[in-house]
Amino acid sequence: DAGITQSPRHKVTETGTPVTLRCHQTENHRYMYWYRQDPGHGLRLIHYSYGVKDTDKGEVSDGYSVSRSKTEDFLLTLESATSSQTSVYFCAISGTSGSVNEQFFGPGTRLTVL
Amino acid sequence: QQPVQSPQAVILREGEDAVINCSSSKALYSVHWYRQKHGEAPVFLMILLKGGEQKGHEKISASFNEKKQQSSLYLTASQLSYSGTYFCGENYGGSQGNLIFGKGTKLSVKP
Repeated sequence: DAGITQSPRHKVTETGTPVTLRCHQTENHRYMYWYRQDPGHGLRLIHYSYGVKDTDKGEVSDGYSVSRSKTEDFLLTLESATSSQTSVYFCAISGTSGSVNEQFFGPGTRLTVL
Repeated sequence: QQPVQSPQAVILREGEDAVINCSSSKALYSVHWYRQKHGEAPVFLMILLKGGEQKGHEKISASFNEKKQQSSLYLTASQLSYSGTYFCGENYGGSQGNLIFGKGTKLSVKP
């Protein structure tokens, strides 16, 4: 299995508070992704990174920011959490462009915003 | 726009076959298939690339019709372990290989 972890695994927070989720990999993969998964919507891409300090937006990026200062870590920040951001968040990694190689997913973080 | 998966759900008996389809409204570069069991992370099954190349880790077959912009996943002689939700992810050839996932097909295999 690919070495990819997410922290925390579960979090409950209140509306308006900032939240940071961490994705850590030991595979030295170049590409990293953040998805959210909601019932009836499947997996939707929030942000992705194609290298250290190289990030870009995905389909549902509003209300989220990311940072990648090291190859192994990709952080997702909710600047001011809202109830609509209650979801399961998955991080994924890929050694080369994810269009031609598989993405490996982390175990997920279940976030509840009250 | 998300690819459209069909059916949304299917129930099988062990040993039966199933086909899951994934249709796009745009020209495709590659199609990925993943399976997710309840409470777990999605797991890679297969990639089908424009031009016919395939990469996969399990004994599951799939097809990719570039003209029809459609991919199909074939599950033959299903086993209980095949139960889960299947997602297709499509890439249109740009932006570092981002995938747009369908909403999933829930497969339940009964003894």
